[in-house]
Amino acid sequence: ILNVEQSPQSLHVQEGDSTNFTCSFPSSNFYALHWYRWETAKSPEALFVMTLNGDEKKKGRISATLNTKEGYSYLYIKGSQPEDSATYLCASGGNTGNQFYFGTGTSLTVIP
Amino acid sequence: NAGVTQTPKFQVLKTGQSMTLQCAQDMNHNSMYWYRQDPGMGLRLIYYSASEGTTDKGEVPNGYNVSRLNKREFSLRLESAAPSQTSVYFCASSEHISGAQPQHFGDGTRLSIL
Repeated sequence: ILNVEQSPQSLHVQEGDSTNFTCSFPSSNFYALHWYRWETAKSPEALFVMTLNGDEKKKGRISATLNTKEGYSYLYIKGSQPEDSATYLCASGGNTGNQFYFGTGTSLTVIP
Repeated sequence: NAGVTQTPKFQVLKTGQSMTLQCAQDMNHNSMYWYRQDPGMGLRLIYYSASEGTTDKGEVPNGYNVSRLNKREFSLRLESAAPSQTSVYFCASSEHISGAQPQHFGDGTRLSIL
């Protein structure tokens, strides 16, 4: 079992603020790192999959970086909007289906 | 544009009853998964199916069985429900079994066992 940890557990920011949160994972035998966005009463939605050390992905105002050597990934949101309010999950994926481990998520609330 | 469809959305059972959670995907994905979500814990893998005709245990398989009925459908069965199985259950699918493939999730089934 892989220990995937996310911090902080929850975050409240003002509209327009930029924010970031962390996912840490064991760096040995790294294969892939996923970020998901999970809005209340909906299903998790894939944001990014990263596999290479130094990977950076961007989708609109959201971006992510990956450091496989030290075992962490950052998710950044620039100019947060109320519609960004959601739980952001990260997961470490191995090369087979039974090696997919999720963190407990960071709950983001953007206050108008 | 349904994606992954789970039925039912809500269910209340008594201890010892059995039921089957249904999942179907219309994305022609090879691999399907069942997870449970409990407070304070990340999604935990119950069973998965790498491809049609195969199923394997995940992290928390005890008390569950699965059937990969065809490429589209993957069901989860509770033979004798226990209160510890009260949870929200998610079905997911991905194009292939590789951990680098994004997973697509259904809306979940909220199951309460009294």
